[in-house]
Amino acid sequence: GESVGLHLPTLSVQEGDNSIINCAYSNSASDYFIWYKQESGKGPQFIIDIRSNMDKRQGQRVTVLLNKTVKHLSLQIAATQPGDSAVYFCAENKETSGSRLTFGEGTQLTVNP
Amino acid sequence: NAGVTQTPKFQVLKTGQSMTLQCAQDMNHNSMYWYRQDPGMGLRLIYYSASEGTTDKGEVPNGYNVSRLNKREFSLRLESAAPSQTSVYFCASRLTEYSNQPQHFGDGTRLSIL
Repeated sequence: GESVGLHLPTLSVQEGDNSIINCAYSNSASDYFIWYKQESGKGPQFIIDIRSNMDKRQGQRVTVLLNKTVKHLSLQIAATQPGDSAVYFCAENKETSGSRLTFGEGTQLTVNP
Repeated sequence: NAGVTQTPKFQVLKTGQSMTLQCAQDMNHNSMYWYRQDPGMGLRLIYYSASEGTTDKGEVPNGYNVSRLNKREFSLRLESAAPSQTSVYFCASRLTEYSNQPQHFGDGTRLSIL
């Protein structure tokens, strides 16, 4: 079936380095993508989103890249900080499916001091 | 700045007991959702309410019922709890059903069924 998944279940980086978290999706009809951050014991927190008519969007220290040719989504975190340690999920939405988001299983990011 | 509030935060039940998980949002959102999160499974949609007065099944609705009490509140009921329903339950809301807007989540209810 169609699904959204992440290439790596864990990622460990040094404080101050840049982090790149990847996501592959299989539904070419998806037109909206979201990245969430989930800290231990908390709910997913919205980080950044991107629509399919864009290939890049920047926020504060974060950038999302969308490559529709290979159905690939990435989240780049600049100057990673210990507070960035969390599980990161990508999610996709197909406009015609209305409410339904499809979530990946997540990548655990660990930032080492 | 509450956003999505879920109660209770933790609950332990015995098999066969019933309970209702409560969710309220203060963002004037039309759409609300219930998910469960299990290790290695990601978030799975149980039920959703596209707007006040409507509810629909998601991916894993068996064993659950929902009520959209008003625009703010969306509850999830387990009529006869089973150990397989041990999970973390998240409620989310979204501005409208057909919008390129993110869903906003509460901090979850951790439910254990013995």
